[in-house]
Amino acid sequence: GAVVSQHPSWVICKSGTSVKIECRSLDFQATTMFWYRQFPKQSLMLMATSNEGSKATYEQGVEKDKFLINHASLTLSTLTVTSAHPEDSSFYICSAGDNRYEQYFGPGTRLTVT
Amino acid sequence: SQQGEEDPQALSIQEGENATMNCSYKTSINNLQWYRQNSGRGLVHLILIRSNEREKHSGRLRVTLDTSKKSSSLLITASRAADTASYFCATDKAAGNKLTFGGGTRVLVKP
Repeated sequence: GAVVSQHPSWVICKSGTSVKIECRSLDFQATTMFWYRQFPKQSLMLMATSNEGSKATYEQGVEKDKFLINHASLTLSTLTVTSAHPEDSSFYICSAGDNRYEQYFGPGTRLTVT
Repeated sequence: SQQGEEDPQALSIQEGENATMNCSYKTSINNLQWYRQNSGRGLVHLILIRSNEREKHSGRLRVTLDTSKKSSSLLITASRAADTASYFCATDKAAGNKLTFGGGTRVLVKP
């Protein structure tokens, strides 16, 4: 199956700093990428839908100024958590779709804000 | 927001037993998919069932879909310790569209 990578796999940052997470589709072109957040022992919650070359569509309740998404190419989308706070600590997972039924998930990035 | 709930939230069984978990959703769907997630890892796609299908098999997995009840079940037969993971259902309304996940079932298979 198709491969999606995320970088970094884990990151620790200080409160107030910004963190960038990359999501790459390695062997296919992803017209759409999705960003999810998952708290411990909970399900995945969709944060935003990222389309190549256009602005991301954010889910209700997700602050677009805090979670900046850039989908600059068909193989790369980035999520920047700006001015991170401890409550932003979570597991962030991206997925990429090729306009068919299946989405391919990255391995996730664990963010810890101290 | 989550599409629906999964039942049970947690399941503990002995190796060799079958594991059954259910997923309910609220609105009409195009497809329903099941994923597995090992602790702290990404999601692994298990099986997709379309809204016009009622049952699907893949290896030791059997999925059913009842659109009239807006529910689906995942059966894992002859479970193994390696099946220990969280299992999530996810629905979409169109191909390539965003997925809405259920709450998940944590399965523990004891050797």
